[in-house]
Amino acid sequence: QKEVEQNSGPLSVPEGAIASLNCTYSDRGSQSFFWYRQYSGKSPELIMSIYSNGDKEDGRFTAQLNKASQYVSLLIRDSQPSDSATYLCAVFFTGGGNKLTFGTGTQLKVEL
Amino acid sequence: GAVVSQHPSWVICKSGTSVKIECRSLDFQATTMFWYRQFPKQSLMLMATSNEGSKATYEQGVEKDKFLINHASLTLSTLTVTSAHPEDSSFYICSARDGTGGIQYFGAGTRLSVL
Repeated sequence: QKEVEQNSGPLSVPEGAIASLNCTYSDRGSQSFFWYRQYSGKSPELIMSIYSNGDKEDGRFTAQLNKASQYVSLLIRDSQPSDSATYLCAVFFTGGGNKLTFGTGTQLKVEL
Repeated sequence: GAVVSQHPSWVICKSGTSVKIECRSLDFQATTMFWYRQFPKQSLMLMATSNEGSKATYEQGVEKDKFLINHASLTLSTLTVTSAHPEDSSFYICSARDGTGGIQYFGAGTRLSVL
């Protein structure tokens, strides 16, 4: 069973702080990794994709991938109340049925 | 990013009726589309994977005769909830994959309420 695991939270951070969201996955051969944001009552929206080891930055977001340790993380700098949402980690497993496997999501709360 | 359009966004129907939900990829061709269901405060649950021109692949526990999926073209997939009952009330979300990179783009979702 190919799995993606996330801490459900809630993770509470003060406004302006760095929020760090983590995700581990079970298949060492995985090649594609994604972070989605889902606001309450809305559908997921893609934030970041990352395919190789290291960091990938896009504005206030940085995705970090470590394939040897089988984890991927998302850092949100200068967190804003509007960042409060559930963040879903998704992995495209090789031979995983040709679909993304999602974690259960981490709820982030950015407090004023 | 790519755009996936889903209609209707909200539907109320009587128990026993059927409801059709459409999912369109507007600016790319999607050989594979996915249908999810999400109950309040729960995780996304994949219902089925649909490939253009072939039968959908349903996840374990999802009734294929109740949730009819048609993927007739590279830009359109439909989900029909047949003989809907109150327990089918949920948030249904479609997703389409752009190419082979694995990225899935989501529609805005359809909130179904069965009375």
